[in-house]
Amino acid sequence: NAGVMQNPRHLVRRRGQEARLRCSPMKGHSHVYWYRQLPEEGLKFMVYLQKENIIDESGMPKERFSAEFPKEGPSILRIQQVVRGDSAAYFCASSPSLSFYNSPLHFGNGTRLTVT
Amino acid sequence: DAKTTQPNSMESNEEEPVHLPCNHSTISGTDYIHWYRQLPSQGPEYVIHGLTSNVNNRMASLAIAEDRKSSTLILHRATLRDAAVYYCILTSQGGSEKLVFGKGTKLTVNP
Repeated sequence: NAGVMQNPRHLVRRRGQEARLRCSPMKGHSHVYWYRQLPEEGLKFMVYLQKENIIDESGMPKERFSAEFPKEGPSILRIQQVVRGDSAAYFCASSPSLSFYNSPLHFGNGTRLTVT
Repeated sequence: DAKTTQPNSMESNEEEPVHLPCNHSTISGTDYIHWYRQLPSQGPEYVIHGLTSNVNNRMASLAIAEDRKSSTLILHRATLRDAAVYYCILTSQGGSEKLVFGKGTKLTVNP
């Protein structure tokens, strides 16, 4: 069984470019979470999505960041006009249902974004 | 969600047991205790979770205090591969619909 797949593993962008990070959840999982980890810091929640719906985006920066989880295909985290401060590891996690409080979240191995 | 307190770092020797403590004095009756770990350059990995009773799985054991105000993750025989940051997190039905990570405990395993 494939786990949570994130690609690319490494992404280099110049300031002002756009970054698109993809996350394919585990088979049968319809809930996706995105987290960001700045260098030498902890994991910070960004957004929680179900298929075609954003449930909680309280951790998303107000500008330049957006996320989607379409009916078909992977979840996408999009960062427009990247700046150096966006350099971080971005992790995606998935779960099969709302009862994650009593079951594991499955994480991918992340996309490491470097902005030059 | 209730908060947890963990030591910043701990050290262990290979092949020895490791007891990682977590305090959660404001835990409520419906809060579950979860442990995740993050190995270097990898995403977090689920370790174990429980509500009231002690739990065992192939990775570790979770010992929960009778008053539930603290818990201990037990690695029975540490290996070098267990060197990671370990996070103790509380979740509850009807609470925040996400895992909130603290700073965790960085475990160093000496050969």
